[in-house]
Amino acid sequence: GPKVLQIPSHQIIDMGQMVTLNCDPVSNHLYFYWYKQILGQQMEFLVNFYNGKVMEKSKLFKDQFSVERPDGSYFTLKIQPTALEDSAVYFCASSIQQGAGNTLYFGEGSRLIVV
Amino acid sequence: GQQVQQSPASLVLQEGENAELQCNFSTSLNSMQWFYQRPGGSLVSLFYNPSGTKHSGRLTSTTVIKERRSSLHISSSQTTDSGTYLCAFDRNSNNRIFFGDGTQLVVKP
Repeated sequence: GPKVLQIPSHQIIDMGQMVTLNCDPVSNHLYFYWYKQILGQQMEFLVNFYNGKVMEKSKLFKDQFSVERPDGSYFTLKIQPTALEDSAVYFCASSIQQGAGNTLYFGEGSRLIVV
Repeated sequence: GQQVQQSPASLVLQEGENAELQCNFSTSLNSMQWFYQRPGGSLVSLFYNPSGTKHSGRLTSTTVIKERRSSLHISSSQTTDSGTYLCAFDRNSNNRIFFGDGTQLVVKP
């Protein structure tokens, strides 16, 4: 079936540095999402993105976070600068459109460890 | 507050036993999904199940939208079924999904 690929699968980074998480969504999908799951806690919505714009973001989407999809390439989540509390697994998802009947396809996650 | 309640929080089975996982929603929902999260953290979508019953191998999902509940039945469990099972739902048309805390399943040989 359709697959969402996430790169890298794991990354360890020093606090204060920048990190970019990459997502290769399903090819004909137009809506993109990031979710965050801290170890041992539930998964939570960060942001959704369509037509080059952030449509909605949660309070977890701090000012240090940004998303973009330049020229139809990877959909990226950038954190600059990183903080210890950013350590989590970040899941990317995509859907062909929004609304009832549209499945979100999730990637396998990118585990970020900030030290 | 918690919008998705999953039960049980954890479950230990002997291989071959069946499991019934429950998910209850505190608000009306548009649709819901079941996910399996591997012990390493990666996520696999099991069912997208707006309503009714769906089968996939040894898995059966039954969702009653108007009663705001869904169940996942695992028959003849195997050790490879061990992991966390998450249910999630969306309330409206923006596909923002809310996840439960998950049921941690351990299947012993």
